[in-house]
Amino acid sequence: EDKVVQSPLSLVVHEGDTVTLNCSYEVTNFRSLLWYKQEKKAPTFLFMLTSSGIEKKSGRLSSILDKKELFSILNITATQTGDSAVYLCAVENSGGSNYKLTFGKGTLLTVNP
Amino acid sequence: NAGVMQNPRHLVRRRGQEARLRCSPMKGHSHVYWYRQLPEEGLKFMVYLQKENIIDESGMPKERFSAEFPKEGPSILRIQQVVRGDSAAYFCASSPGRGEKLFFGSGTQLSVL
Repeated sequence: EDKVVQSPLSLVVHEGDTVTLNCSYEVTNFRSLLWYKQEKKAPTFLFMLTSSGIEKKSGRLSSILDKKELFSILNITATQTGDSAVYLCAVENSGGSNYKLTFGKGTLLTVNP
Repeated sequence: NAGVMQNPRHLVRRRGQEARLRCSPMKGHSHVYWYRQLPEEGLKFMVYLQKENIIDESGMPKERFSAEFPKEGPSILRIQQVVRGDSAAYFCASSPGRGEKLFFGSGTQLSVL
């Protein structure tokens, strides 16, 4: 069974800090790893990673995948209070059920002013 | 271009009642997925539907739960004779095709008293 483990489960920082969120996974026939940001509403898509070592970047957020060690990290630099949310990691397999995402429990990030 | 629309946002039911959750996919999307998020848990796949067809319901509880996506109108997730353990956030997602990026709705929070 596919499995995703995120750490830490929660994190409290001050504005301006840099944070690193971790995601490790076990999946048969890996296709992609996705990061979502979930505030009090819909999970919104951040990144899709398919290849090792290639950093994806969007503003202050960046993410990278290591397919050998089976993990990904999400970095947020110069955090702002608006970054407070649950960050979800999910993996997709390339088998017959490639529409199914397996999610981790998420990391709750709180950014204090 | 409206996103995935779910209603109601919050639904309160007493034990034994029926719950009906609705999901209208994004325009141009004909693939709908339902996920459930129990407290302290990650999102779990429930069912995948295309218009008038259930493609995969392997994540659905065997009893009391059903889903449909008729030719006209929204997708409906129906829970009969609800129990307290059904209390959760139910998310709908849609995609333009199988295996393509999912766009999530804001979810329906079901509370069973």
